[in-house]
Amino acid sequence: DGGITQSPKYLFRKEGQNVTLSCEQNLNHDAMYWYRQDPGQGLRLIYYSQIVNDFQKGDIAEGYSVSREKKESFPLTVTSAQKNPTAFYLCAIQGGPGTEAFFGQGTRLTVV
Amino acid sequence: QQQVKQSPQSLIVQKGGISIINCAYENTAFDYFPWYQQFPGKGPALLIAIRPDVSEKKEGRFTISFNKSAKQFSLHIMDSQPGDSATYFCAGRRDSWGKLQFGAGTQVVVTP
Repeated sequence: DGGITQSPKYLFRKEGQNVTLSCEQNLNHDAMYWYRQDPGQGLRLIYYSQIVNDFQKGDIAEGYSVSREKKESFPLTVTSAQKNPTAFYLCAIQGGPGTEAFFGQGTRLTVV
Repeated sequence: QQQVKQSPQSLIVQKGGISIINCAYENTAFDYFPWYQQFPGKGPALLIAIRPDVSEKKEGRFTISFNKSAKQFSLHIMDSQPGDSATYFCAGRRDSWGKLQFGAGTQVVVTP
């Protein structure tokens, strides 16, 4: 996993509840990313952050929020405004411009 | 819109055979084209990558062929093994900070 820890591995929530997914890294990498994966689809970018206290929307940010208060942590909150929250969520990190991006093992969120 | 189109959606190949996955992209600003391998329930792992100024890159049994004028690239898996059974994603990188645009994925099954 290259020093990326996503937790929990599985998460169940009732519809209408907010839920926060954890992504922690111990490689001192600058950039962190959140992607969403749905069956039969590629990964889609939700949010990304290149420095502490700064983050940018990706392609599908609606219904999600993030924070980057510490370099090693980039939590993702799936809010009740997200229409179809059930998915596999993947966090990625990158050391700097032009370097490789590495993914965590993912969190599978099921909303019932 | 889908900026990276990947085909086929799935393929079955016999052990020892060649697996070929094709991708086409639209965004000429992509500066880097990685391929990721993903096993069920796991995060994607970088397999091999190429830059647009190179026409071919080979690492072991895996080869990327790149055609810049046609905006197409492909992954060849030579001497396919059952352990290669996985989902493969192509991607294009939009800038050096690693915002990736993924294809929809190809599920490869290698039969004994």
